[in-house]
Amino acid sequence: TQTVSQSDAHVTVFEGDSVELRCNYSYGGSIYLSWYIQHHGHGLQFLLKYYSGNPVVQGVNGFEAEFSKSDSSFHLRKASVHWSDSAVYFCAVSGFSNYNVLYFGSGTKLTVEP
Amino acid sequence: EAAVTQSPRNKVTVTGGNVTLSCRQTNSHNYMYWYRQDTGHGLRLIHYSYGAGNLQIGDVPDGYKATRTTQEDFFLLLELASPSQTSLYFCASSGGLGGRQNTLYFGAGTRLSVL
Repeated sequence: TQTVSQSDAHVTVFEGDSVELRCNYSYGGSIYLSWYIQHHGHGLQFLLKYYSGNPVVQGVNGFEAEFSKSDSSFHLRKASVHWSDSAVYFCAVSGFSNYNVLYFGSGTKLTVEP
Repeated sequence: EAAVTQSPRNKVTVTGGNVTLSCRQTNSHNYMYWYRQDTGHGLRLIHYSYGAGNLQIGDVPDGYKATRTTQEDFFLLLELASPSQTSLYFCASSGGLGGRQNTLYFGAGTRLSVL
């Protein structure tokens, strides 16, 4: 059984601040990890993915995430946020044996204040 | 850019009613999915399919049927709707070949209210 935990339901920062959104997973084998973004009133959009190699992966709009096997984590970071980054962010995990089935966390709502 | 279209965008029905949610993707993806989104639960997988005529059960299938009639079309059926099925429903598709191909492309969602 795979689970994804996003411990922070809400995060509020100011424009220009850095931000880290946390994701921890529980899975017994090799995995894919990904992040998706959901702007209000829209479907989810892919941000980035990790499945092997360099544990730091780059995504769109300056986002990056770092995989840590020892911590079972895949935290999302951005060095300087913009008001347009306000959205809900979802972490997802899928196993190598059935990589087409993604299991999502409960999401973190990021609010960027001007 | 992958295109996934859901209809209707909003639906209101009564308890015991019959509802069909439709989804069409135009990118020849193998996989299609139905998720529901509820506050505090994130997205939960209801059913998915890897091709026409195929159906796989997800994590929360009770009360839902699904049918994949063609490569493009995937339907979610609620034959006796209950208030617990009030939710935001998303359809998604993916190429299904691994690596970058398991990226999901989502529709805009269908908001269903069961009174």
